[in-house]
Amino acid sequence: DTGVSQNPRHKITKRGQNVTFRCDPISEHNRLYWYRQTLGQGPEFLTYFQNEAQLEKSRLLSDRFSAERPKGSFSTLEIQRTEQGDSAMYLCASRPSSAGELFFGEGSRLTVL
Amino acid sequence: DQQVKQNSPSLSVQEGRISILNCDYTNSMFDYFLWYKKYPAEGPTFLISISSIKDKNEDGRFTVFLNKSAKHLSLHIVPSQPGDSAVYFCAARGTSGTYKYIFGTGTRLKVLA
Repeated sequence: DTGVSQNPRHKITKRGQNVTFRCDPISEHNRLYWYRQTLGQGPEFLTYFQNEAQLEKSRLLSDRFSAERPKGSFSTLEIQRTEQGDSAMYLCASRPSSAGELFFGEGSRLTVL
Repeated sequence: DQQVKQNSPSLSVQEGRISILNCDYTNSMFDYFLWYKKYPAEGPTFLISISSIKDKNEDGRFTVFLNKSAKHLSLHIVPSQPGDSAVYFCAARGTSGTYKYIFGTGTRLKVLA
């Protein structure tokens, strides 16, 4: 399977714990995006990487959220001190510089109890 | 501020008939528009896109129309099939100063057999 891969697919955690999600984009895609989706809403932009450089962050991304793409390949999204409001589907997408469409992974669902 | 709007949360269509999904946007600087389909527990799947220099793009049963003066785009599916039942999101890409894609809230399409 050469699509975008996200792990874990589902994470249940207690409020106050830290969680980390991983995204492996399609191998030749140098652009990587993180989105968050809650019930009844469309995907909301969180952050964007071009290779290893984080070029844009949403105001939605509070200081509890951090994302990295250390070698320009896989990316991680960490949420510290989780809150119930962080419960959502976290989606990763990638694209090559030559194409306009985003290719999404299947998402990582976070449930904060 | 919702820059991309899908005002119909749901739509039901008989199998074999045409499905028309609508999307409005407010930012005249958007240069590229996309439609995605999403099944439950899966990530969004790219369907079709259109550049702002065109007013129509067709791919098999799917056609996207863009009316720049009205800031409106629509997705036509003909003929509709039961497997088309899903949530459809329109999205727009900004131009200078931002890399993000902005999504609407989605329209749930149900194709009745």
